[in-house]
Amino acid sequence: QQQVKQSPQSLIVQKGGIPIINCAYENTAFDYFPWYQQFPGKGPALLIAIRPDVSEKKEGRFTISFNKSAKQFSLHIMDSQPGDSATYFCAASVDGATNKLIFGTGTLLAVQP
Amino acid sequence: EPEVTQTPSHQVTQMGQEVILRCVPISNHLYFYWYRQILGQKVEFLVSFYNNEISEKSEIFDDQFSVERPDGSNFTLKIRSTKLEDSAMYFCASSEFSGGAHEQFFGPGTRLTVL
Repeated sequence: QQQVKQSPQSLIVQKGGIPIINCAYENTAFDYFPWYQQFPGKGPALLIAIRPDVSEKKEGRFTISFNKSAKQFSLHIMDSQPGDSATYFCAASVDGATNKLIFGTGTLLAVQP
Repeated sequence: EPEVTQTPSHQVTQMGQEVILRCVPISNHLYFYWYRQILGQKVEFLVSFYNNEISEKSEIFDDQFSVERPDGSNFTLKIRSTKLEDSAMYFCASSEFSGGAHEQFFGPGTRLTVL
């Protein structure tokens, strides 16, 4: 129940395309859902995050869509660029004493020029 | 912009040896974490630390692991007797608050190689 399932495992899009990465969870106690971007050899960097009281959040070219009833959330990258090529992780946590992050398995995104 | 720093960037050790991984969290942050990432796999939670004590630890964080905040700036992870399966990237993270502002900021990681 602590798992976060992420798909697809890898994704190739053309420059300007809109890659969509999906995540699903079981634990209804999760109340914070961040997305992290990771470049090779680097630590995960917080990209955008959402809470369940909002169905959509947009920051620049990145949008999170959240479906509370389906227990799913997704990341959309508008007008994708080769510089967006990275591994993307969704995560979830429960507001509480520790806020440990439970990560998805990651999606390797390649944006071709 | 403040950032989490980690040293060393790469540590090679022999099986059975002790290693200490070091982290300097963002200065006004109060919550500290260690995560690990085995090559090509997802990031896994190890331990969280607040107010000079462990607040939660995972199944991975057994008796061979310990954490310490020896002074006002450093946060360390010690592995007493390393095993081959401890080879991974270890990430330190910190956050300002618990509840209301979960944002965890990660360091660049230490690659631990156990031979």
